[in-house]
Amino acid sequence: DGGITQSPKYLFRKEGQNVTLSCEQNLNHDAMYWYRQDPGQGLRLIYYSQIVNDFQKGDIAEGYSVSREKKESFPLTVTSAQKNPTAFYLCASSPGDRETQYFGPGTRLLVL
Amino acid sequence: GEDVEQSLFLSVREGDSSVINCTYTDSSSTYLYWYKQEPGAGLQLLTYIFSNMDMKQDQRLTVLLNKKDKHLSLRIADTQTGDSAIYFCAESIRGNTPLVFGKGTRLSVIA
Repeated sequence: DGGITQSPKYLFRKEGQNVTLSCEQNLNHDAMYWYRQDPGQGLRLIYYSQIVNDFQKGDIAEGYSVSREKKESFPLTVTSAQKNPTAFYLCASSPGDRETQYFGPGTRLLVL
Repeated sequence: GEDVEQSLFLSVREGDSSVINCTYTDSSSTYLYWYKQEPGAGLQLLTYIFSNMDMKQDQRLTVLLNKKDKHLSLRIADTQTGDSAIYFCAESIRGNTPLVFGKGTRLSVIA
């Protein structure tokens, strides 16, 4: 089955801890994206990558970091500098930039 | 700015038609999209329309595009309880930038 997977489904973070959210796709898409969604809110773009070994900041990159070492994978690290990390995180991919995006099932991050 | 505007809530009775509206900003947008998000899930692509089209129909879904007013609408015929979800409008804009999403319209279907 082709698609986008995100893991884990739920993630708990302690104060001062860094956590990493996984996003993998087997669609052979060049571009990948991370969004944050707060309750009752729309999507806010954190980071995106149009090609391997390259990525750009979105609207709310502070407190987050990413890497794109492989085409299939675009992990997101929520660092301790992100003071309000509780949210639903969505990963997406597209064949190229500006093209149709396909979304994973999301990871809900909660702070203990 | 690059804002896509949608009303936040819509409530309809089961069996009626739903119309969800969206206004976008970039007259050079090439594609406009509708996504559906069910509770606790990711976004599912419902349909899209190319900017040189006025209308696109796909089973119960009808998309209308008014480029002069930069207005996009999604009509769902014979709305069912399973259509209850958040619907996002999105546009592709010029330059090497990702899609721009609206804040979403929460559709509630009353049985």
